[in-house]
Amino acid sequence: EAQVTQNPRYLITVTGKKLTVTCSQNMNHEYMSWYRQDPGLGLRQIYYSMNVEVTDKGDVPEGYKVSRKEKRNFPLILESPSPNQTSLYFCASTTGLAGNEQFFGPGTRLTVL
Amino acid sequence: GQSLEQPSEVTAVEGAIVQINCTYQTSGFYGLSWYQQHDGGAPTFLSYNALDGLEETGRFSSFLSRSDSYGYLLLQELQMKDSASYFCAVRDQSNTGKLIFGQGTTLQVKP
Repeated sequence: EAQVTQNPRYLITVTGKKLTVTCSQNMNHEYMSWYRQDPGLGLRQIYYSMNVEVTDKGDVPEGYKVSRKEKRNFPLILESPSPNQTSLYFCASTTGLAGNEQFFGPGTRLTVL
Repeated sequence: GQSLEQPSEVTAVEGAIVQINCTYQTSGFYGLSWYQQHDGGAPTFLSYNALDGLEETGRFSSFLSRSDSYGYLLLQELQMKDSASYFCAVRDQSNTGKLIFGQGTTLQVKP
């Protein structure tokens, strides 16, 4: 089944404790992206990757890191999480360009205390 | 700056037609997408317009006018399951990887 998977689905952590949210897709998509969703603010792009070893900042990259060492994986790293990073996170992928149909993962609900 | 504007809420009755508007202001433009998101779920793709005009997919249609920086999503024969949030999104031409989403429109379908 074609899908985007994220882990963990739910995470409660404390300020400053490094964490990684994994994202994997099995559709051989070149493009992958991370979004955060907060009430009233819609989806905001954090980072995206056009292909392996090619990443770039979205609108809200501060406090996040990403890597794209393999085509299928695009982990999101929070080196020192803070409470303002409490949010619902989505990973997405698509073939080709960002405007084409994006397939979203199920989401990761992160709470930073 | 770059922004997309959508109504925050729309209410309609089952069987009716509803239109959700989206106006955008971006440094570049390379297509308007629409996504549906049910409460607690992942967004799912509905449509993509790169050129002016109407695109129809079953009960849903999407329209784009690039000269007016405006688009809309039209939902016909509304069903209860259409109650969800709907987001428009614009691909920023100046940076092909960037996708900007509107804040979303919550559609409530009543019996």
